[in-house]
Amino acid sequence: GENVEQHPSTLSVQEGDSAVIKCTYSDSASNYFPWYKQELGKGPQLIIDIRSNVGEKKDQRIAVTLNKTAKHFSLHITETQPEDSAVYFCAAPTFTNAGKSTFGDGTTLTVKP
Amino acid sequence: DTEVTQTPKHLVMGMTNKKSLKCEQHMGHRAMYWYKQKAKKPPELMFVYSYEKLSINESVPSRFSPECPNSSLLNLHLHALQPEDSALYLCASSQAPAPTYEQYFGPGTRLTVT
Repeated sequence: GENVEQHPSTLSVQEGDSAVIKCTYSDSASNYFPWYKQELGKGPQLIIDIRSNVGEKKDQRIAVTLNKTAKHFSLHITETQPEDSAVYFCAAPTFTNAGKSTFGDGTTLTVKP
Repeated sequence: DTEVTQTPKHLVMGMTNKKSLKCEQHMGHRAMYWYKQKAKKPPELMFVYSYEKLSINESVPSRFSPECPNSSLLNLHLHALQPEDSALYLCASSQAPAPTYEQYFGPGTRLTVT
């Protein structure tokens, strides 16, 4: 099955700085990589995703890059704001069990004002 | 409407109680999911319903019993739970039952088993 490793587990940045979270995956057949943001007391919400036919996708201050050869993908947040503070999860599909995604262990991002 | 709703928000139950969690979506999604999430951990898949049929059961104990009455509703029936079952229970839905579709999560039900 798919194995997803996420780093770092915690990340603290100053407001306005950039934050980068990286995930590696094991299944070379994986072709869809979402990033979820989970705020305290809420369910995860998709913030950006990327499919394996592109190397980068951007949405305002958030971007995701994918390196299929190295089997890793990264979330980049620029000009961080206190409201970016949350837990971020990456995920990758498990094709041996259709419908299932494997989540990374999560990164707790704290943006200090 | 891109919302998944879950009731109740909080639930406290004893080990001999029977209770149910409810999830609803009106996006026309044909896949619905139950996840369990412990503090500081990622969501852990429990069940997947595909076109109202149970397609994945991740070896969940029988004290958890899912039900999909129609394409918009998903229930999780709870009976004889253990204290270690205390967790946040998340419902999600996606357009189709494949991991390459975006999953929309509800806010969760915070369950405490005493």
